Amino acid sequence: AQRVTQPEKLLSVFKGAPVELKCNYSYSGSPELFWYVQYSRQRLQLLLRHISRESIKGFTADLNKGETSFHLKKPFAQEEDSAMYYCALRPLSGFQKLVFGTGTRLLVSP
Amino acid sequence: EAGVAQSPRYKIIEKRQSVAFWCNPISGHATLYWYQQILGQGPKLLIQFQNNGVVDDSQLPKDRFSAERLKGVDSTLKIQPAKLEDSAVYLCASSSSTGTSGIYPYEQYFGPGTRLTVT
Repeated sequence: AQRVTQPEKLLSVFKGAPVELKCNYSYSGSPELFWYVQYSRQRLQLLLRHISRESIKGFTADLNKGETSFHLKKPFAQEEDSAMYYCALRPLSGFQKLVFGTGTRLLVSP
Repeated sequence: EAGVAQSPRYKIIEKRQSVAFWCNPISGHATLYWYQQILGQGPKLLIQFQNNGVVDDSQLPKDRFSAERLKGVDSTLKIQPAKLEDSAVYLCASSSSTGTSGIYPYEQYFGPGTRLTVT
């Protein structure tokens, strides 16, 4: 079965502090992993995907197949990073759906 | 480009009533998805269309939920009769293709959602 686990419902940090949003997954094959973000009163949108290996808005995420993790990191949090973050998995075979975690709310305080 | 449109944005109904949601995907997007997001949970796929054909409806409660995508463009999702546990945000998303491994037009663009409250 495919499952995505985000253990923290809320992560509260101060501006300038490092951030790590945890994501663990279970899947027997090779999945694609994503982070989606939803800012207040905005639509759910793609933040980054592991295949592209890019840094978006200062965020990076590395796929660790050994630990089946895809944690999202940013060295210095900004207030505008406050949002709901969802980790998602997509199997690489067939017409497969995105499987989302339950989300972590990041709150960055001044 | 214009985003995914959904209506209505909010709907309050009593249990056992019926309700319908409408979605207009981004122009040219072949794949359309309906997700259900219950409070405190992540979105869960209900049904996925490729053009006007269903490719995955394994998590759609077919005794009460139905969806169609006539002409491969707009889509409607219906609930009849509604239950209290159907209270959720219903998200529509579209992507240009389901593609194949290694090709990425998969990015799903989400609509604003319809918040359904069943009382």
